[in-house]
Amino acid sequence: DTEVTQTPKHLVMGMTNKKSLKCEQHMGHRAMYWYKQKAKKPPELMFVYSYEKLSINESVPSRFSPECPNSSLLNLHLHALQPEDSALYLCASSQGRARGLADTQYFGPGTRLTVL
Amino acid sequence: AQSVTQLGSHVSVSEGALVLLRCNYSSSVPPYLFWYVQYPNQGLQLLLKYTTGATLVKGINGFEAEFKKSETSFHLTKPSAHMSDAAEYFCAVRGQSRATNKLIFGTGTLLAVQP
Repeated sequence: DTEVTQTPKHLVMGMTNKKSLKCEQHMGHRAMYWYKQKAKKPPELMFVYSYEKLSINESVPSRFSPECPNSSLLNLHLHALQPEDSALYLCASSQGRARGLADTQYFGPGTRLTVL
Repeated sequence: AQSVTQLGSHVSVSEGALVLLRCNYSSSVPPYLFWYVQYPNQGLQLLLKYTTGATLVKGINGFEAEFKKSETSFHLTKPSAHMSDAAEYFCAVRGQSRATNKLIFGTGTLLAVQP
């Protein structure tokens, strides 16, 4: 089973709202990722968690706040977003550094975010 | 630094025709290469990957890719296109750092299949 689930599928929010995206995997993976994908572009890495610790932050604005409560869950907290933050947000997971260079990322279906 | 180049942002084939999507990589170390497919309004699905060993890699849905070191290529092929193959295809190479698993994506190729 290589399933990564994401909720909600769609989210519309105003610029003053606070919302959260949720990602879950039950494959025993120890690395989890957030990506942002604009239309007709490849995914852009935002954050990486390895063994529940933040290991990469790709200079993402502080209005995006990731959280990894346990090895199966990854959240992305959103606050005071801008219309240009509208995109598809993808979560991925992988076995982690124990797998070495052959570590493979598996993606969820994404959350389509619209900021009004 | 690693990078991938996908030649052709749009490829159109007829149903039943050969599919060839091109990917060239640049890497200062032995590369780990991936092809992902993205259907409309969905996430990315792993099609196949090359890590080590056999250079001809078979994936899901009848796709395969051949790693050619001399040509720094990892082109994706399928002998006979189906309408259901219409999607965006991304080639990716694993980043160089052993400590982080960063994927470097190409710009993608949108495959259209004509009836």
